[in-house]
Amino acid sequence: GNSVTQMEGPVTLSEEAFLTINCTYTATGYPSLFWYVQYPGEGLQLLLKATKADDKGSNKGFEATYRKETTSFHLEKGSVQVSDSAVYFCALSDHRGGNKLVFGAGTILRVKS
Amino acid sequence: DTAVSQTPKYLVTQMGNDKSIKCEQNLGHDTMYWYKQDSKKFLKIMFSYNNKELIINETVPNRFSPKSPDKAHLNLHINSLELGDSAVYFCASSQAQGAPDTQYFGPGTRLTVL
Repeated sequence: GNSVTQMEGPVTLSEEAFLTINCTYTATGYPSLFWYVQYPGEGLQLLLKATKADDKGSNKGFEATYRKETTSFHLEKGSVQVSDSAVYFCALSDHRGGNKLVFGAGTILRVKS
Repeated sequence: DTAVSQTPKYLVTQMGNDKSIKCEQNLGHDTMYWYKQDSKKFLKIMFSYNNKELIINETVPNRFSPKSPDKAHLNLHINSLELGDSAVYFCASSQAQGAPDTQYFGPGTRLTVL
């Protein structure tokens, strides 16, 4: 079945540091890939997505590129802010699976000023 | 202007009770979902409905019964609550069921079973 593996956290960075959160996936078909973010006490918000190989999703300074050859969708940001502190979830969906989202375990990001 | 709303936000109850969580979306979407987030933040699909029809039922105990009175609402009823049901339950919706599409999540309902 489909699965997503994310790097374990928590990840603690100083403000303006470079961020990478690794995400790899296993899928039988050609899934769409997503990053969702959950701020403390809130629901999930879509951060970015990519629907086919070599697509790059970007939003709020975050980027991720759909790499079919390495089955990866790593999240990057050049300069993090304290307000980026949250839990980040990598996820995939495949229409053959009824469009359900399969999530990674989530990575807690803490940014210190 | 809330896109996906859930009630209640918090629910504290005793073991053995029956409770319901309601979800409504005003996005005009055809598909709605329930996800469970456990204490370690792990998220897993429970159910999916497309235009009031059950599409996904992911090996959830039959104490959990979703009901979709119309395509804008998907409620979750839980019978005989157990300690292990304590979690945050998220409702979500998306435009179409047949293609991977962005899902929009509600704020969650934190259920605590004592």
